[in-house]
Parts: sequence; structure tokens; C-alpha cells
Amino acid sequence: SYELTQPPSVSVSPGQTARITCSGDALPKQYAYWYQQKPGQAPVLVIYKDSERPSGIPERFSGSSSGTTVTLTISGVQAEDEADYYCQSADSSGTYPWVFGGGTKLTVL
Amino acid sequence: QVQLVESGGGVVQPGRSLRLSCAASGFTFSSYGMHWVRQAPGKGLEWVAVIWYDGSNKYYADSVKGRFTISRDNSKNTLYLQMNSLRAEDTAVYYCARDGLLWGQGTLVTVSS
Repeated sequence: SYELTQPPSVSVSPGQTARITCSGDALPKQYAYWYQQKPGQAPVLVIYKDSERPSGIPERFSGSSSGTTVTLTISGVQAEDEADYYCQSADSSGTYPWVFGGGTKLTVL
Repeated sequence: QVQLVESGGGVVQPGRSLRLSCAASGFTFSSYGMHWVRQAPGKGLEWVAVIWYDGSNKYYADSVKGRFTISRDNSKNTLYLQMNSLRAEDTAVYYCARDGLLWGQGTLVTVSS
């Protein structure tokens, strides 16, 4: 089966920039999506199609792609950004339309 | 308003069955593919299954293939997940999702004797 790899944790101080990576072999061919999830809540889409931001998501959230790695960047991190972040994509064959990374816990120090 | 509401979760013994429902409202349900995603306690998100907008195609995660069946009734704006031969490792919050933008609040399934 297809896997997406994320770091388990990232820590930053308020106001700094957080970068969360996600690696997968099919990422050059498949879009990536990023979700924020806070305890007890459903996931919230923060980036779609690698770098697009849904309506209502702050501009400090951005996404980029380079080869087999996609990156979620949160500029000027705020305390409220502390959450789990998941990347999601698809395998190249279409057998697995949604595949999630293992998730990254963002801690705001 | 636009929303998805899951129901049908609960406590079930290993080997038994359970059917989850997801009621959609506020959008044209029959125009969208729909997913089930689950999250075991303290763990990450795991995609479970998808069904095409018209029910013509269905795909499953390897972990549930042959045990779970996704279906939909477009006349009732409802998505289903029939779960058979349940195992302890199926214990999770189950979410239905339209596309990445719209998720339900989840329903908890606990498989325990």
C-alpha cells in the first residue's frame, strides 16, 4: 500500500515560521491536501491542491510542492495554531483515492 | 445548512455487525463522491472507503476490504457503512466526508466484549 511520511512533531515559538513536510512517491503526480485537527474536533482543510487556501483560512497558512515532498508553512505562528496536521493525497494507480500521512503535532512553545 | 451528521455508533462485541449512517443536507448529495474516514483513540486519520456520486464505484482500505461495505441512497441523501466481523482494532471515531471541505462530527464505534 501507499504511504505518506510526516515528522511526528514540530515545535516553534509564537511569531516564528513552522514548516511541516510530507513525503510520498506519487506526490509529483497527485495533489496534496492539508488538514488541521484540534482535540475532539473533526479535521479542517487548510490547503488543497498543493497550495490553494480555502475561504476562511488565514493567509499565514501556505503550501508548496517540490518533487516527492510537499510542505505546509505557517508563518507568524499563533497559539491557536497548536494542533495535529495531516497531509492527504492519493496513490498513482487510483486504488487508494485518499491516503493520510501519520500526522504532525505542532507545539507552540 | 450544509452539513453531514453521522449516527449508528456504539459498543459492539467482536465478530458482530454494525451499520453507520451519514445524513447529508444543504447540498446536492447525488453530485458528490463520499468517503468514510476513521480515527482510533489517540491515533491518526485512516481512510476507510469511498463511493462514487452514483454508487458505480467503491474502493476500500486493505484493513476493511471484505468486511465493510459502503453504500448510499441518493433519494434519502444518506451514506452508509455496513461493518461486519468487527474487531477490536476497528474501534474508532468514524467520520463521513464529502470532499476535504465538509466533514461530519463523527460517531464512536467501540468493539469490545
